[in-house]
Amino acid sequence: EAQVTQNPRYLITVTGKKLTVTCSQNMNHEYMSWYRQDPGLGLRQIYYSMNVEVTDKGDVPEGYKVSRKEKRNFPLILESPSPNQTSLYFCASSPRDRGAYGYTFGSGTRLTVV
Amino acid sequence: QKEVEQNSGPLSVPEGAIASLNCTYSDRVSQSFFWYRQYSGKSPELIMSIYSNGDKEDGRFTAQLNKASQYVSLLIRDSQPSDSATYLCAVNRGGNDMRFGAGTRLTVKP
Repeated sequence: EAQVTQNPRYLITVTGKKLTVTCSQNMNHEYMSWYRQDPGLGLRQIYYSMNVEVTDKGDVPEGYKVSRKEKRNFPLILESPSPNQTSLYFCASSPRDRGAYGYTFGSGTRLTVV
Repeated sequence: QKEVEQNSGPLSVPEGAIASLNCTYSDRVSQSFFWYRQYSGKSPELIMSIYSNGDKEDGRFTAQLNKASQYVSLLIRDSQPSDSATYLCAVNRGGNDMRFGAGTRLTVKP
């Protein structure tokens, strides 16, 4: 089944404790992206990647890191999480011609930072 | 002005009625347009895409695009309780630039 897999689904952590949210897609998509979703603000892009070893900042990159060492994986790293990073996170992927196809989203990770 | 604006709702319609969801965007160079459905606690699911002016129909769903007015809409005919969800409008401005609206919550009452 074609899908984007995120883990974990739920995570509660403490301020300052490094964490990684994994994202993997099995559709051979070139484009991958991370979003956060907050009430009233909609989906905001954190980082995106056009292909292996190519990443760039989205609208809200502060406090996050990403890497794209393999085409299928695009982990999101929070080096020192803070309470304002409490949110619902989605990974998404798309074929190279992203504008034409829209995104396939992962199932989401609900992160709480206390 | 937000780049992609939607009425947050909630929009409530009776079962069997037509639900009309609207979206406006600010950037005239926008090239492609999408509607996603998101059930509570779930991820967005792509349901419609539209690229040129006019209507595009897929089952009970019709997307309408008017680039001159910078307006996109989604009509859901014969609405069912299972259509109750938040609907997200997304606009691709070209290249890497996809923008999402905050969503309209739709409730279909039996």
